[in-house]
Amino acid sequence: GDKVKQSPSALSLQEGTNSALRCNFSIAATTVQWFLQNPRGSLINLFYLVPGTKENGRLKSTFNSKESYSTLHIRDAQLEDSGTYFCAAGISGSFNKLTFGAGTRLAVCP
Amino acid sequence: DAGVTQTPRHEVAEKGQTIILKCEPVSGHNDLFWYRQTKIQGLELLSYFRSKSLMEDGGAFKDRFKAEMLNSSFSTLKIQPTEPKDSAVYLCASSRDNYAEQFFGPGTRLTVL
Repeated sequence: GDKVKQSPSALSLQEGTNSALRCNFSIAATTVQWFLQNPRGSLINLFYLVPGTKENGRLKSTFNSKESYSTLHIRDAQLEDSGTYFCAAGISGSFNKLTFGAGTRLAVCP
Repeated sequence: DAGVTQTPRHEVAEKGQTIILKCEPVSGHNDLFWYRQTKIQGLELLSYFRSKSLMEDGGAFKDRFKAEMLNSSFSTLKIQPTEPKDSAVYLCASSRDNYAEQFFGPGTRLTVL
């Protein structure tokens, strides 16, 4: 089964609204990274987390290692937030390898 | 500081050819990764180097894929011979050290005819 399961797989948002993306882990994640892959294909770093919460502008992310999940909250969605969001788990003892989820495709509409 | 750079950005190869993709990590980073991204399989790790030593060679990709790190600031991924199923985006990433944040290059889009 999927070691890193992302939900939803796709999402459409009206500009200005809020939403949350989620990753559930069936492996013992010790760190989490969130990326946005833009239409050109570049992976942009959003957050690097140990257990806890970080905030950056309209984005906020939480990593709860005890309950094996991470969330990414988008507030006041803008057109430029469109793209595919990936979470990736770093696993203890795995030499810094990241295990990626399948991604959430987000479309923000005017 | 320059980020991770990859060349070429696009590559088209005939089946059976040898291709070499190149990556320069962020200056000072000790860990370097090669990933492959396809619509069906998503992002898969191909190789992982720590301080130029190969730590992981990606198991299923061993046969025709060979990554090398010639010095701390340059890595290559050779695919020999190429097959149409190798068509994908190949991404290089680097991080400062163990469990540190990984930064990705823009990728090389490979098409094998």
